Amino acid sequence: SAVISQKPSRDICQRGTSLTIQCQVDSQVTMMFWYRQQPGQSLTLIATANQGSEATYESGFVIDKFPISRPNLTFSTLTVSNMSPEDSSIYLCSGLRTSGRAGRWDTQYFGPGTRLTVL
Amino acid sequence: RKEVEQDPGPFNVPEGATVAFNCTYSNSASQSFFWYRQDCRKEPKLLMSVYSSGNEDGRFTAQLNRASQYISLLIRDSKLSDSATYLCVASGGSYIPTFGRGTSLIVHP
Repeated sequence: SAVISQKPSRDICQRGTSLTIQCQVDSQVTMMFWYRQQPGQSLTLIATANQGSEATYESGFVIDKFPISRPNLTFSTLTVSNMSPEDSSIYLCSGLRTSGRAGRWDTQYFGPGTRLTVL
Repeated sequence: RKEVEQDPGPFNVPEGATVAFNCTYSNSASQSFFWYRQDCRKEPKLLMSVYSSGNEDGRFTAQLNRASQYISLLIRDSKLSDSATYLCVASGGSYIPTFGRGTSLIVHP
């Protein structure tokens, strides 16, 4: 499995402030993604982090609210800007790891998540 | 219509039971399929990939039916530790995966 670390693991923030989450992956990862998961809900893809260029955002997510950087292959950050209580969620970084084997699919692995509470 | 649909459950079964989950996907261009397991307040973890030939790993068996566009997961001899949410995933050529909402399994003594 891929090694994916994420920090902070949790934070409690005041509304109107911003939080930057960092994600580090091992070198076998090609694509990186950022997800949000609210309690009892499934994963919602925020964006695909592209190395050296602007992230590709899913419908309902915009760069001004969720700026993402990926300066190199193994590191990415997600910022949750101008937070409101509705942003309280778990934010998950994930990486797609190449299988290196014919006939076997590249596989997605997840970091441990950042639990964000906005007061 | 959701792209990947699962019965949310919960499936409440006794230890030792056999339980099966199904998942349907709407994108016929989907190419790779997976089952993930997610424990409460934890990140999803890969359980198994699902290939056209099927896949078995101990008590777990996954099957793919491309014609009917569904994926199944069979758990035999359920353990208490199998209690979790099981997420079905379908991924297209762009590798952007689509997750189902998950099926909750509760195994009781």
